[in-house]
Amino acid sequence: AQTVTQSQPEMSVQEAETVTLSCTYDTSESDYYLFWYKQPPSRQMILVIRQEAYKQQNATENRFSVNFQKAAKSFSLKISDSQLGDAAMYFCAHEGGGSNYKLTFGKGTLLTVNP
Amino acid sequence: EPEVTQTPSHQVTQMGQEVILRCVPISNHLYFYWYRQILGQKVEFLVSFYNNEISEKSEIFDDQFSVERPDGSNFTLKIRSTKLEDSAMYFCASSTGTVGRGYTFGSGTRLTVV
Repeated sequence: AQTVTQSQPEMSVQEAETVTLSCTYDTSESDYYLFWYKQPPSRQMILVIRQEAYKQQNATENRFSVNFQKAAKSFSLKISDSQLGDAAMYFCAHEGGGSNYKLTFGKGTLLTVNP
Repeated sequence: EPEVTQTPSHQVTQMGQEVILRCVPISNHLYFYWYRQILGQKVEFLVSFYNNEISEKSEIFDDQFSVERPDGSNFTLKIRSTKLEDSAMYFCASSTGTVGRGYTFGSGTRLTVV
């Protein structure tokens, strides 16, 4: 079974600064996908970025990028030029193989952005 | 951009009552899911649904839960006899079934059992 671990329950960052959120996972599969979801106070789950495990290149979406270390099973999210609107709970998630595309989530990291 | 719509946004029910949570997935999506998030905890998989039947369910999804797609557009989660511990945010999601595309989640239904 897949497990996803986020070791930082809370993080804070100054506006315009950079912050990195950590995520490790465990899986026996060789082909899988990893995601970061953002959950603002509205509780909506918003996809931030995805990474395909067979791709060595780290995914980037504007100010969001990942550091994917497949051998270490590590998948961290870097937010550059942090904005007040980035304040939210961030969940790391793993999508395994099989035909059901089930997501396994970590416990989340609450990010606070200080003005 | 297409959305997954969930209703109601908040439901309060008495313990022991039945509730139905409703979802309208994105129209060309093939896979449908329910997830649960107890306040302050992680999001947990409940059930996936494909081709008009359950394709996978978690150990949380016991006999008090059921899902159906009654009319080709709605996707419902029924909790037959609610317990206090069923209080949570329930998220519906849908996907095309293309692996790695991620899901589109609805805004969630906050269920409060009193």
